[in-house]
Amino acid sequence: AQSVSQHNHHVILSEAASLELGCNYSYGGTVNLFWYVQYPGQHLQLLLKYFSGDPLVKGIKGFEAEFIKSKFSFNLRKPSVQWSDTAEYFCAVLNGPGGYNKLIFGAGTRLAVHP
Amino acid sequence: DGGITQSPKYLFRKEGQNVTLSCEQNLNHDAMYWYRQDPGQGLRLIYYSQIVNDFQKGDIAEGYSVSREKKESFPLTVTSAQKNPTAFYLCASMSGLLNTGELFFGEGSRLTVL
Repeated sequence: AQSVSQHNHHVILSEAASLELGCNYSYGGTVNLFWYVQYPGQHLQLLLKYFSGDPLVKGIKGFEAEFIKSKFSFNLRKPSVQWSDTAEYFCAVLNGPGGYNKLIFGAGTRLAVHP
Repeated sequence: DGGITQSPKYLFRKEGQNVTLSCEQNLNHDAMYWYRQDPGQGLRLIYYSQIVNDFQKGDIAEGYSVSREKKESFPLTVTSAQKNPTAFYLCASMSGLLNTGELFFGEGSRLTVL
């Protein structure tokens, strides 16, 4: 079965530090990749997505992610975090083997940014 | 405003009781999903439905049941057979036509079994 691994469960940073959250997926075929974010008390929402084309994808709030097919990775980055980035971040993959439109999520990374 | 409405937001249930969580969407989306969120385990797929009167088991369907009689509605029943039902349940939808892969989530329902 397809799976998504997020390596860091908890990350603590100071404001202005750089961020990189790891994500690896198991399916070797064509995949569509996503990062979702859940701010405290809010809905899960889409941060960015990769379908095809440029493997460096830019999302909202200064986030970006790089798709590296050879490494089955889709790491999330931000050059300088802010206190308002405190949230839980989920990597997800769409359409693995067997078809149907379903998203498989990783376990999530809880980010805390200190002022 | 278009969106997904889940109810109730909080629910308490005694062991041995079935409970049904409501999910309604007015986004005209074809596909609907139920996820369970537990700390440290992320979101795990319970059931999903691509069209009316059709649904598929996800990764953790045991002890749950669903129906999809209307496009707008996808209720989830947590049965007494579910061994560890206390969790946060999220309903989501996706536009099948656009196939963007973007899920729209409800606010969630927190179920506590006493």
